[in-house]
Formats: sequence, C-alpha cells, structure tokens
Amino acid sequence: AQSVSQHNHHVILSEAASLELGCNYSYGGTVNLFWYVQYPGQHLQLLLKYFSGDPLVKGIKGFEAEFIKSKFSFNLRKPSVQWSDTAEYFCAVKANQGGKLIFGQGTELSVKP
Amino acid sequence: DAGVTQSPTHLIKTRGQQVTLRCSPISGHKSVSWYQQVLGQGPQFIFQYYEKEERGRGNFPDRFSARQFPNYSSELNVNALLLGDSALYLCASSTGTKTGELFFGEGSRLTVL
Repeated sequence: AQSVSQHNHHVILSEAASLELGCNYSYGGTVNLFWYVQYPGQHLQLLLKYFSGDPLVKGIKGFEAEFIKSKFSFNLRKPSVQWSDTAEYFCAVKANQGGKLIFGQGTELSVKP
Repeated sequence: DAGVTQSPTHLIKTRGQQVTLRCSPISGHKSVSWYQQVLGQGPQFIFQYYEKEERGRGNFPDRFSARQFPNYSSELNVNALLLGDSALYLCASSTGTKTGELFFGEGSRLTVL
C-alpha cells in the first residue's frame, strides 16, 4: 500500500532562516508528487507539483522541491522563510494511473518574526 | 470564478444521527473527491466520483456513502454517527480522474457528541 511520511511534525524557525521539510513515500511505480499548504483558517492550496521531467520543481511563493527517485523523497525547500509562511504543509502522492491522493500527516511550520 | 464550495461549514450532531454534506465543484470540473481530515493528521481519501459514477473508494465503512448529480455537485452521507467521525470533511474537484491537481474547498467541520 502507498504511504507518505513527513519527518517533522512541528518546525519552528525565525524569519530569514532556510527551510527544508522532508517527505518520503512508498510506492514502486510511477508517481505524481505534490506539496499542499493550509494557512490558518484557509483551505488547502497547491504549492507545487511534480509529474515528470526536471526533478527540481519550483512553486509559488519561492518554494521549491526536489524529487529524488532513488530515495523515494520529495523534500520541500525555501531559502528564506517569512512570518507569512506560518502554516501546515502536506506532502501527497498519487499513483500515476490512480485518482486518489495519499497525504502525509503534515508538518506545522511556525515562523517567528 | 468561484472555487469549490461546501456546506454547511460547521455542524454538531449526536451519536447515531445521520449527516449530509454538500459540495459544488469548480465550474467545468467533472470529478469530485471527498477526504476526511482528523485533527493532527493529513486528509484521508473517502470517495471519488466522475460523471456520476464512483471511481474510487477508500477504507471507510459502509456507513459512508456519496453520490454525484448531473450538475457534478456531490453529497457525502454518513449514517449512525460515531464520536470518531468528528473531523473536517474536505471536498476536492478536478477536471478528470487521472489529472493530478485537486482543488479543495474549505471543508465542513463535523462534531459528534
């Protein structure tokens, strides 16, 4: 069965610090990978996605993620976080021919001003 | 353009009761999926519908059912509510069953007492 593991449950950073959130998945076939963000009181929004091609994917608000197939990983990065990045971040995977998303348990990011 | 809309936003039920949650997808989207998000966890897949047909079902008991209407809106029904059904129920729409990106509504928060 597919599963997604996010390494950190809660991350606390100061503004301008660099961010890396880990995500590993278990599935042997071709996958589509996603990072979603949920700001306080708002709905889930797509940050970025990987379907194929360049494994380094750039998303909105300065976020990027790198797909490393050999490590089954899709880590999220941002060079310099802002207070407005405070939110919960979810990694998700979809089997290439499937319709459902499998989500990780989420990482809560708190950025101190 | 309106995003995915869900109703009601909040509701409180008692054990044993039944609940119906509603979702209107983004205009032009033919696929609707339902997810359950328990506090502190990532969303879990319940159902996917496309063109009024069920295309996928997650590991949920038969107390959970759903349907999609000709206008592509959808309802999720949960019978014989248990305390453990308390969660945020998310609806997501997409253009098809295989396309990757899901657009989420703000959810219906169900509390079972």
